[in-house]
Amino acid sequence: DSGVTQTPKHLITATGQRVTLRCSPRSGDLSVYWYQQSLDQGLQFLIQYYNGEERAKGNILERFSAQQFPDLHSELNLSSLELGDSALYFCASSVAGGNEQYFGPGTRLTVT
Amino acid sequence: DQQVKQNSPSLSVQEGRISILNCDYTNSMFDYFLWYKKYPAEGPTFLISISSIKDKNEDGRFTVFLNKSAKHLSLHIVPSQPGDSAVYFCAASDRSGTYKYIFGTGTRLKVLA
Repeated sequence: DSGVTQTPKHLITATGQRVTLRCSPRSGDLSVYWYQQSLDQGLQFLIQYYNGEERAKGNILERFSAQQFPDLHSELNLSSLELGDSALYFCASSVAGGNEQYFGPGTRLTVT
Repeated sequence: DQQVKQNSPSLSVQEGRISILNCDYTNSMFDYFLWYKKYPAEGPTFLISISSIKDKNEDGRFTVFLNKSAKHLSLHIVPSQPGDSAVYFCAASDRSGTYKYIFGTGTRLKVLA
């Protein structure tokens, strides 16, 4: 158990819909990262937050957005969903930028 | 552009023998490298890391070697155990920059009993 929690574990929704994925980092970790893993792909970095502020952006679509709240939990919002958005979405946390990241169990999103 | 490459999608090794997983990178700004292990239905688990100022880091059965001139790193597992069967991802980071990790596509290791 990494100490990072993600909800929900599974999510099935239709194209065009909007969903919110939630992540609670390990106690004491200030950085939160979001990754997408599509079938047979590596983990694609989406976005990083540090203590509530956006720190780095990767290949995140404009239809996707994220935020980190004062209690340090984070949410990833995916809107106007397409079939290609079906993937595993992982959240990771670290004490600060540059340290080892600890991953949650992931949320499996299926868009039908 | 795939900045971190794991060219072997899978590897099978006999129990007790050495497993060697390889990773190549292209960005010379990367200064921190990590290996993660992933079991099905779980998130990746941190295994071992190495800074670019070192060429070797060891932790129990796991050793990571870094060859900066070749932009190559490898993970050695000795001796391999059936419980090591998993997908292994290498990741690289530019810690002077944004700290984001760039992951390879993974190598599926199967340790045969």
